[in-house]
Amino acid sequence: GNSVTQMEGPVTLSEEAFLTINCTYTATGYPSLFWYVQYPGEGLQLLLKATKADDKGSNKGFEATYRKETTSFHLEKGSVQVSDSAVYFCALKLNAGGTSYGKLTFGQGTILTVHP
Amino acid sequence: DSGVTQTPKHLITATGQRVTLRCSPRSGDLSVYWYQQSLDQGLQFLIQYYNGEERAKGNILERFSAQQFPDLHSELNLSSLELGDSALYFCASSVGGARQETQYFGPGTRLLVL
Repeated sequence: GNSVTQMEGPVTLSEEAFLTINCTYTATGYPSLFWYVQYPGEGLQLLLKATKADDKGSNKGFEATYRKETTSFHLEKGSVQVSDSAVYFCALKLNAGGTSYGKLTFGQGTILTVHP
Repeated sequence: DSGVTQTPKHLITATGQRVTLRCSPRSGDLSVYWYQQSLDQGLQFLIQYYNGEERAKGNILERFSAQQFPDLHSELNLSSLELGDSALYFCASSVGGARQETQYFGPGTRLLVL
């Protein structure tokens, strides 16, 4: 089946620290990959995406590179801020085949807390 | 603001009752997806509609049903509610085709069943 595995949280960092949140996937096919962020009390916001191997998605200082050989899509940011505190979700979307078309399969989410 | 709206924001009801959650997609988006977020199950896909037709079904209980209307808004109906149905329900609408398709989420409806 299709699945996404994220590193266990919570992750606690000091402001300006380097962030990595690991994400690996299993997919029957060639998926598109996404990172969504959920701030406290809010819905999911698209952070970035990549649709093919070696693509790099980037937004607001966050980056992730689609690595097909390692089936990974790790999220990184060079210098986190307190305002980055949120839950981060990695997700995949298959692009062909039966009833799985279109739906997102999410990882379990990683809670990030950034202290001043 | 994603442009996807959901009402109500919060809903408190009792076991055995029936509720309707409403979603309005972004202007021009034909696809609507429903997801459930709970502490034990995480984020799970429930059902997808495209231009009024059901396109895909996920882990949706038989007590739950949905529809998409000609104006493209969608409703998720939850009946015979149980305590375990307490969760955050999101809808998303999508833009782009195939590999480029990207889903944008509404703010969610938080359902509490007492």
